[in-house]
Amino acid sequence: EVQLLESGGGLVQPGGSLRLSCAASGFTFSSYAMSWVRQAPGKGLEWVSGISGSSGTTYYADSVKGRFTISRDNSKNTLYLQMNSLRVEDTAVYYCAKAGRSSGTSCYNYWGQGTLVTVSS
Amino acid sequence: DIQMTQSPSTLSASVGDRVTITCRASQSISSWLAWYQQKPGKAPKLLIYDASILEGTVPARFSGSGSGTEFTLTISSLQPDDYATYYCQQYNSYLYTFGQGTKLEIK
Repeated sequence: EVQLLESGGGLVQPGGSLRLSCAASGFTFSSYAMSWVRQAPGKGLEWVSGISGSSGTTYYADSVKGRFTISRDNSKNTLYLQMNSLRVEDTAVYYCAKAGRSSGTSCYNYWGQGTLVTVSS
Repeated sequence: DIQMTQSPSTLSASVGDRVTITCRASQSISSWLAWYQQKPGKAPKLLIYDASILEGTVPARFSGSGSGTEFTLTISSLQPDDYATYYCQQYNSYLYTFGQGTKLEIK
């Protein structure tokens, strides 16, 4: 059974940093691209960042480029999102999501339960 | 970036109704479109991928169609469990953008 378990969320002041983790199990982690998607309170889904299975390629939304860094440790089956220079508008539930296909373009067939990041003074 | 526009933003319908949600892309995305269902406090759930392929155990009352820039999600006979928010997502090219969502409400 595929499981994605996010952790690392919490309350942080504007300008601060936080690192999210997503522990994956139930599939060959290194074979699948992974992404982070966020949802501000009462708002829609926003794609944040993606990374290939081999970690060779990363992608970022303009809203987080230069501040967030996605990475993965395939030996630990874990996805990360390092978030620096956090802003109030980064407040959201952050979901990790698994690509549905092991190659080529793909949507997400499994999602974690989400972890809440609150940026406030 | 590819923009995704869903309509309507809110839809009121009764159990048994046939409902249709539309998603338009700002440029052609071939058939690289997914539909998700999200209920309050829960993660999104994949319903349809590649515009028209039903995921796993999703009920057959859900269907998707379209290609290029215009897509539809249809629920043939609305059930109580279907009241939720629905999102389309393009995965033709990064960034994998989502539509703004359609909230399906009980009439």
